[in-house]
Amino acid sequence: DAGVTQSPTHLIKTRGQQVTLRCSPKSGHDTVSWYQQALGQGPQFIFQYYEEEERQRGNFPDRFSGHQFPNYSSELNVNALLLGDSALYLCASILASTDTQYFGPGTRLTVL
Amino acid sequence: AQSVTQLDSQVPVFEEAPVELRCNYSSSVSVYLFWYVQYPNQGLQLLLKYLSGSTLVKGINGFEAEFNKSQTSFHLRKPSVHISDTAEYFCAVSGNRGQGAQKLVFGQGTRLTINP
Repeated sequence: DAGVTQSPTHLIKTRGQQVTLRCSPKSGHDTVSWYQQALGQGPQFIFQYYEEEERQRGNFPDRFSGHQFPNYSSELNVNALLLGDSALYLCASILASTDTQYFGPGTRLTVL
Repeated sequence: AQSVTQLDSQVPVFEEAPVELRCNYSSSVSVYLFWYVQYPNQGLQLLLKYLSGSTLVKGINGFEAEFNKSQTSFHLRKPSVHISDTAEYFCAVSGNRGQGAQKLVFGQGTRLTINP
């Protein structure tokens, strides 16, 4: 049983560019949450997707958007990148009937 | 809304000594509580969770935590640590089902360093 997978592992972008990060949840899991972890900080909740809809959203600007596909995989899109967007982006996989989140290895985004 | 405070940013301990990592939370609703571990350049791994029932929760790798509702705490303990326990530890809280479930709020983390 594959765990949560994320791609790419690392990414380098310049200010103003756009980026798309991808996440595949554990088999059978139908809910995906995204978190941003800045260096030396705890993860911060960005948003959660269930049944292809955004169900909850944290305190992040509209530059951060997402999508969930019928196979439950998800994308995180960030437009107009800022230096402060440099972080580890974590995807968490959840089975909606449970309360435990399983995290992927993350995507390290560096904005220059 | 919930918040989490991890009272120690760094904890150095000698190998085979006991350790306690402290976590306090605040919430206006009933909560679920979690401890996650993060090894260098990796994602988060669940150590243990409190959802309901016994306030003493046992997790993986010999860790345990005790939920104390009156003191709003969820401290993590291990009676004897190993070099391999060196990592960053995060306490997290979420509202329980029907009250904003599954949005995790994390503390700032505690870096546990085990010295030989």
